[in-house]
Amino acid sequence: AQSVTQLDSQVPVFEEAPVELRCNYSSSVSVYLFWYVQYPNQGLQLLLKYLSGSTLVKGINGFEAEFNKSQTSFHLRKPSVHISDTAEYFCAPEEGGYNKLIFGAGTRLAVHP
Amino acid sequence: GAVVSQHPSRVICKSGTSVKIECRSLDFQATTMFWYRQFPKQSLMLMATSNEGSKATYEQGVEKDKFLINHASLTLSTLTVTSAHPEDSSFYICSVRSDGNSPLHFGNGTRLTVT
Repeated sequence: AQSVTQLDSQVPVFEEAPVELRCNYSSSVSVYLFWYVQYPNQGLQLLLKYLSGSTLVKGINGFEAEFNKSQTSFHLRKPSVHISDTAEYFCAPEEGGYNKLIFGAGTRLAVHP
Repeated sequence: GAVVSQHPSRVICKSGTSVKIECRSLDFQATTMFWYRQFPKQSLMLMATSNEGSKATYEQGVEKDKFLINHASLTLSTLTVTSAHPEDSSFYICSVRSDGNSPLHFGNGTRLTVT
């Protein structure tokens, strides 16, 4: 069965510093991988996705993620964060063909001035 | 612009009453919509898959008689929480997908508080 682990529940960081939010998944089948962001009391917004091809994917707001098949990881990175990046971030793999996203527990990114 | 519209954004109801939440796909026809539930400071849990013109598919542990789903058209799915109890208080989010390979688009969620 598909499962996903977001290794950090909270990540505090200062403004303009780099950040990495970690995500590991387990699956015996091919997966699609997504990162979503959720601002307070709102739905989820897609940051980026990996379906196939290049393992480094770029998303909105300066975020990028790298798919590492051997380590079954899909870590999210940003070289310089802003206060406005403060939000909850969810990693979500989807087993190909099953049309069902499984969400990680989420990582709370808190950017401080 | 928004792809999915969810209404209402917040609702407070008394215990024992029923509440209907609407999810509309604005930009495309959606044969499938998904309903998620999110408890405070937790992740999203898939409740059910709403299928246009047929019965919804519920995840294990979700009471289908309590959470009624109707997907009567290609742009509208509704979730009705029947005989609501305080433990039903939660954040409910719907999502749609335009085709098999596209990512999910999410509504802004509905905060349900049952008093």
